[in-house]
Amino acid sequence: DTGVSQDPRHKITKRGQNVTFRCDPISEHNRLYWYRQTLGQGPEFLTYFQNEAQLEKSRLLSDRFSAERPKGSFSTLEIQRTEQGDSAMYLCASSLGQGINEKLFFGSGTQLSVL
Amino acid sequence: DQQVKQNSPSLSVQEGRISILNCDYTNSMFDYFLWYKKYPAEGPTFLISISSIKDKNEDGRFTVFLNKSAKHLSLHIVPSQPGDSAVYFCAANGGGYQKVTFGTGTKLQVIP
Repeated sequence: DTGVSQDPRHKITKRGQNVTFRCDPISEHNRLYWYRQTLGQGPEFLTYFQNEAQLEKSRLLSDRFSAERPKGSFSTLEIQRTEQGDSAMYLCASSLGQGINEKLFFGSGTQLSVL
Repeated sequence: DQQVKQNSPSLSVQEGRISILNCDYTNSMFDYFLWYKKYPAEGPTFLISISSIKDKNEDGRFTVFLNKSAKHLSLHIVPSQPGDSAVYFCAANGGGYQKVTFGTGTKLQVIP
């Protein structure tokens, strides 16, 4: 299967702990996105990369969140000092980066529960 | 500010009938629109898209209509099947917005 892969699928952590998620995009895709989805809402944009460069970050993304995409391949999203409000599905998506007519391909997500 | 709106949180349709899901947007710079389908515990899956230079795009049982003057689009599913039961998200981008902006979703239930 050559789709977008996310790890882990589920993460339960205690408030105040740090967590890190990984995303492996479709290999020929140069854009990688992170979205967050809570119950009853659509996916909310967090940040995106063009190759290894992080080009945009949402105002939703507090200083406790950091994302990297070393060498323009896989990406990691780290949340420091987790809070209960961080509980959500974290979705990664990749695309060919054509700009207009951008079609995103999503992974299955990482469900984070902060106790 | 919700730039992409799906005002119907849920919809129930009998198998074999037409399902019509609606979406409104406020940003006139959007010029590419997409529909995604999501099953529980899975990521959204791309379904169909339409560019603003068109007013209709068809793919099998799925047709998307775009009314730019009304800033409205709709997804028609004919005939509806039980396997179509899922949450459908409308999304948009363009005009310098590199990120895709999603609506809140409509949960479709197709009753056998």
